Amino acid sequence: EPEVTQTPSHQVTQMGQEVILRCVPISNHLYFYWYRQILGQKVEFLVSFYNNEISEKSEIFDDQFSVERPDGSNFTLKIRSTKLEDSAMYFCASSETSGPTYEQYFGPGTRLTVT
Amino acid sequence: KNQVEQSPQSLIILEGKNCTLQCNYTVSPFSNLRWYKQDTGRGPVSLTIMTFSENTKSNGRYTATLDADTKQSSLHITASQLSDSASYICVVRGASGGSYIPTFGRGTSLIVHP
Repeated sequence: EPEVTQTPSHQVTQMGQEVILRCVPISNHLYFYWYRQILGQKVEFLVSFYNNEISEKSEIFDDQFSVERPDGSNFTLKIRSTKLEDSAMYFCASSETSGPTYEQYFGPGTRLTVT
Repeated sequence: KNQVEQSPQSLIILEGKNCTLQCNYTVSPFSNLRWYKQDTGRGPVSLTIMTFSENTKSNGRYTATLDADTKQSSLHITASQLSDSASYICVVRGASGGSYIPTFGRGTSLIVHP
């Protein structure tokens, strides 16, 4: 069964460093998403992406974040200058269609630890 | 502000028993509500989805209910199994100006003991 994959599974970085989290969505999906989950807290929406453009973003997704689909398979989340509070689990998701009842398929997540 | 509240925060039951998890939301206007199962260290997996007109939806041993008037939902798990141990997350999607950004609850952590 096709699934969303994410690399690395765990990333440790120092405050102020740039990190790139990578995702390979399900191959026929056209809509891509990033979420984060700070330890012990709820999952939060960051951004949705379609046709090489950001569709929606939350207040969390500020100028230090960017997303890119550099080729036909990868979808990346870049954090330019990491802060301690960026430590969280980052989930990528993809969906075949958009709309209110579309189903998103989540990857296993990347645990980001900022020291 | 859109909010989703879940209870209980955690629950321990014996294998074979039933349990019910609760979700209250204030998301408006309402589009749909999903229940997800999240195993430790994994991404959420959708169990059920309900729109405004639906008041019950089943997926195997999982049965979700929705009362759109009181803005409440429940997830009932029948004949629990050890593999049901996970976090169960209620996610409500609104429909405001074409935005379908989901609001997640904190989840209920379920532990099933043999």
